[in-house]
Amino acid sequence: GAVVSQHPSWVICKSGTSVKIECRSLDFQATTMFWYRQFPKQSLMLMATSNEGSKATYEQGVEKDKFLINHASLTLSTLTVTSAHPEDSSFYICSAHPPRGFYGYTFGSGTRLTVV
Amino acid sequence: GENVEQHPSTLSVQEGDSAVIKCTYSDSASNYFPWYKQELGKRPQLIIDIRSNVGEKKDQRIAVTLNKTAKHFSLHITETQPEDSAVYFCAASGGSGYSTLTFGKGTMLLVSP
Repeated sequence: GAVVSQHPSWVICKSGTSVKIECRSLDFQATTMFWYRQFPKQSLMLMATSNEGSKATYEQGVEKDKFLINHASLTLSTLTVTSAHPEDSSFYICSAHPPRGFYGYTFGSGTRLTVV
Repeated sequence: GENVEQHPSTLSVQEGDSAVIKCTYSDSASNYFPWYKQELGKRPQLIIDIRSNVGEKKDQRIAVTLNKTAKHFSLHITETQPEDSAVYFCAASGGSGYSTLTFGKGTMLLVSP
């Protein structure tokens, strides 16, 4: 139980285009999901907290107009990187607050974004 | 906000030796401390966690200790094996509601045969 699926696992896009990443809770409802960014050989940095039915809460320094988050249902949160640039190339990982009876935040499999 | 410091950044041991990774946290309200193992290009996997009402927890070769007074917690791996080689992250959170996880910078563990 408490499985989180993330798609795509990798994507290459041209500079200036937008990319959407999906994070789904497969066997539970997740009212809160988290989006992280991880650069090579570095730790996971929280970008934003996604709340179902309301606006996401962004961490300081994260551009909300560039990283659009939508959490329209209890099982799906999306992160859209708009007008992507090479410096946006990174590993993006989502996680979900576990359902009652579980503990330990479950992570998606991550998305490797390369902007060329 | 919470700040989590993790040491060492790299750790090399021989197979069969023990490995210890230490973390400190700043927010005395934090009450949930998980440890994650991440292999290259993969998602972090929860390996063990501890809550603030417990001082120690063990699961086979892995144990975690917590000192609330000193605000530090440690991961202990005994009888290390080459497949233990990975990056390990500690984290801390408020544990209630939808508190976010704050991660340490990670420790790259290399176990040599």
